[in-house]
Order: sequence, then structure tokens, then C-alpha cells
Amino acid sequence: AQKVTQAQTEISVVEKEDVTLDCVYETRDTTYYLFWYKQPPSGELVFLIRRNSFDEQNEISGRYSWNFQKSTSSFNFTITASQVVDSAVYFCALSERETSGSRLTFGEGTQLTVNP
Amino acid sequence: AAGVIQSPRHLIKEKRETATLKCYPIPRHDTVYWYQQGPGQDPQFLISFYEKMQSDKGSIPDRFSAQQFSDYHSELNMSSLELGDSALYFCASSPRQDYEQYFGPGTRLTVT
Repeated sequence: AQKVTQAQTEISVVEKEDVTLDCVYETRDTTYYLFWYKQPPSGELVFLIRRNSFDEQNEISGRYSWNFQKSTSSFNFTITASQVVDSAVYFCALSERETSGSRLTFGEGTQLTVNP
Repeated sequence: AAGVIQSPRHLIKEKRETATLKCYPIPRHDTVYWYQQGPGQDPQFLISFYEKMQSDKGSIPDRFSAQQFSDYHSELNMSSLELGDSALYFCASSPRQDYEQYFGPGTRLTVT
């Protein structure tokens, strides 16, 4: 069973629009970690955020914000006032210490295209 | 700031050949991970090392082996290469297990 689901395969927006990328996860562990990574066309994986299962506080970093809700097993990512440089594949990932060490299990990714 | 270094960046091999990928983690990072990303797919975990010992093993073929050396660099050895091994191979390092993993630029392996 897929442990991390990113239902949106592709999203296309116009510059300056806000966009939310959805992530739903599945785990039986009580201690786990959630991550978002960005993969631009150049191919590297860029770390964006890490959140542990005991910290449900939302976080804002510039134009990026993250909403973690344990009740719905979701960890959504919002980009405000999107820019062309935000175009990339975004991966949500889960790390379950008790079940599978600290390996990352990725979702299938969401391809975000921001058009000028 | 220092980043994860991977070499080579590109590698072309023929079927049944062997390949060695190298990874140099960020200084003072004690955990190294290897992932394989096929075209249009998400990265898949292969293997990890913590303090030079194998700490976890994923869906890594028996034809592949890896190790972490005393200077913390790691090598992924791949033998009897198959066409399906063509992928982007990432190494990542972390200051501690469960902390964020910082990825290298990847090695793009093409098997012909």
C-alpha cells in the first residue's frame, strides 16, 4: 500500500497565483517524520522542510507554508504568489523510525508548472 | 556550505559491465543513504549506513553492494548491469538518523 500519496500528478498555474500541493500519508508508527523536497529540471533534490509527528504547528518560510494535520494524516504545502522558478517536481516523504529506520519513502511527486 | 559530492556525474556502461559510484557526505554527517530514481519515478531507497555500519536495506538487487569507509565516504558497486539499472542514483547524508537528508547532485547511469 502506498504510504505517501500525492494525488495531484500535475498542476499548472499562472505566475502570482497561490497553489497548494497535497500530501496524505499512512503509518502505524507513533514517531515519524515528514518532509518536502523540490526537484527542479536540473535534477537535484532540494530539502525544504522536516516535521516530526509531535509538532503540529504550521510553518511559514517566506512564500512557503506547510499545514500538518494528524487528524487527517495530511501534510500540505502552499506556495504563495508563485513564480516561474517554482516550477519543479515536489515530493512529500515519510520516515518511520520504528517500522523502517530512517529511510525516506517518497510520494509519486507533483509536477508544478508556473507559467508567466 | 559544503554539500554532498557524488562522482561521476554521468556514467555510460554496457550490459553485464560493472560500475562504481562514489559519495562524499557533508563533513560531520554520520549517516549516508543511497536512492535510485528511474525516469519519471520517485526515488527508491536502496541502502544506508550509520557510523560505517549498514543500518538499513531496501530493495537493492543482490548484484549491488555498498560500503562506507573510515573517512565516511561511501561507494555503491553495481555488477552485471542490466538495461533496467539505467537511472539517477542519489546519495544523501544526514547529521543524525531521522534528521533531514541532504542529497547530492546524483549520478546518471545509462546502461546500453
